[in-house]
Amino acid sequence: EPEVTQTPSHQVTQMGQEVILRCVPISNHLYFYWYRQILGQKVEFLVSFYNNEISEKSEIFDDQFSVERPDGSNFTLKIRSTKLEDSAMYFCASIELAGGPRYFGPGTRLTVL
Amino acid sequence: SQELEQSPQSLIVQEGKNLTINCTSSKTLYGLYWYKQKYGEGLIFLMMLQKGGEEKSHEKITAKLDEKKQQSSLHITASQPSHAGIYLCGADDPTSGTYKYIFGTGTRLKVLA
Repeated sequence: EPEVTQTPSHQVTQMGQEVILRCVPISNHLYFYWYRQILGQKVEFLVSFYNNEISEKSEIFDDQFSVERPDGSNFTLKIRSTKLEDSAMYFCASIELAGGPRYFGPGTRLTVL
Repeated sequence: SQELEQSPQSLIVQEGKNLTINCTSSKTLYGLYWYKQKYGEGLIFLMMLQKGGEEKSHEKITAKLDEKKQQSSLHITASQPSHAGIYLCGADDPTSGTYKYIFGTGTRLKVLA
């Protein structure tokens, strides 16, 4: 069974520091996504990525956020200067084809102190 | 944009009781997914429904999508403590050009032994 993997599982950082969350989507998938879930709240869409560029982003995804697929396998989410309110679970997801089953990674819990 | 509302928000049942969770969309659904989540953890895929009137079962969990494809229900028969968690419905946002996924508000289930 193919799976999306994410590292680290838990990241603790100081406010103002940069963090990079890593995801390895399923190898033949074409669309990639990041989602965020503040503890106890709804899972929220951040950004979608297709054909090596951002194709859609939410209001949450401001200039502090960026995504990259540097080597054709990893898909990263960078937060340049973390804030307390960035503390959340971050999920990566990928799909092979439009409308296909969506595979989610296990998530990275980010704690900003 | 599309919204998914779940009801009830929370549910406490005695072990052995049946229960139903509903997910209602503001627009026609083009793929409805059910997930289970333990508080603060990852998303566990349960079932996917795509056709109006479709029904799927896995162990003691049955999910249905209505004919109009605007409402889905998740039914658990003879609940057990292992069913406890947060149940989320998710769907492809048809207004999104990148098959952005949206999630429902979640239903927190507690099963008393």
